[in-house]
Amino acid sequence: SAVISQKPSRDICQRGTSLTIQCQVDSQVTMMFWYRQQPGQSLTLIATANQGSEATYESGFVIDKFPISRPNLTFSTLTVSNMSPEDSSIYLCSVEDRRNEQFFGPGTRLTVL
Amino acid sequence: GENVEQHPSTLSVQEGDSAVIKCTYSDSASNYFPWYKQELGKGPQLIIDIRSNVGEKKDQRIAVTLNKTAKHFSLHITETQPEDSAVYFCADPSNDYKLSFGAGTTVTVRA
Repeated sequence: SAVISQKPSRDICQRGTSLTIQCQVDSQVTMMFWYRQQPGQSLTLIATANQGSEATYESGFVIDKFPISRPNLTFSTLTVSNMSPEDSSIYLCSVEDRRNEQFFGPGTRLTVL
Repeated sequence: GENVEQHPSTLSVQEGDSAVIKCTYSDSASNYFPWYKQELGKGPQLIIDIRSNVGEKKDQRIAVTLNKTAKHFSLHITETQPEDSAVYFCADPSNDYKLSFGAGTTVTVRA
């Protein structure tokens, strides 16, 4: 399975600011995904990020709020823009391997004050 | 795969007993069914998955069964141990790769 790291692991931010979360994988992958997991809840897909194309966002998520970059096959970033306390969540990236199995990073725990 | 129902939401078992979690899906075209374990403060970990061409798959103390007719799949943990305490999620892919997750089951193994 792929080894995935995320930075930062956690952060406490002031409302109105932005935070960029990095996701690094140890092998080249086509499909990368960003999820949000609110406290005590399940995982919700934010967007799919494929290298060389614009990210595809799920219903309820927009590019202005969650801009995503995918500059190469091993790296992606998610920015949470103009944050409010409602954005306090765990943000997770995942990758899909050749067998269509998805593996997750450790997550970034964001608290917005 | 947009609608996955997972039951129960919480499960408390005595160490050594078995635990069973069930998920029901709606898309008859679904053909891949993974289970994830999430420990406190960690990301979800893929623990077992099954594809629609088989009815059961085992890996040591965990197993997954699939009933395509009834559209449900279950996770079975035998001889539970304290380290099995975690939140377990089933998932169902829509559009071939997007995973829709169940609501999760918090499993507590009592020593």
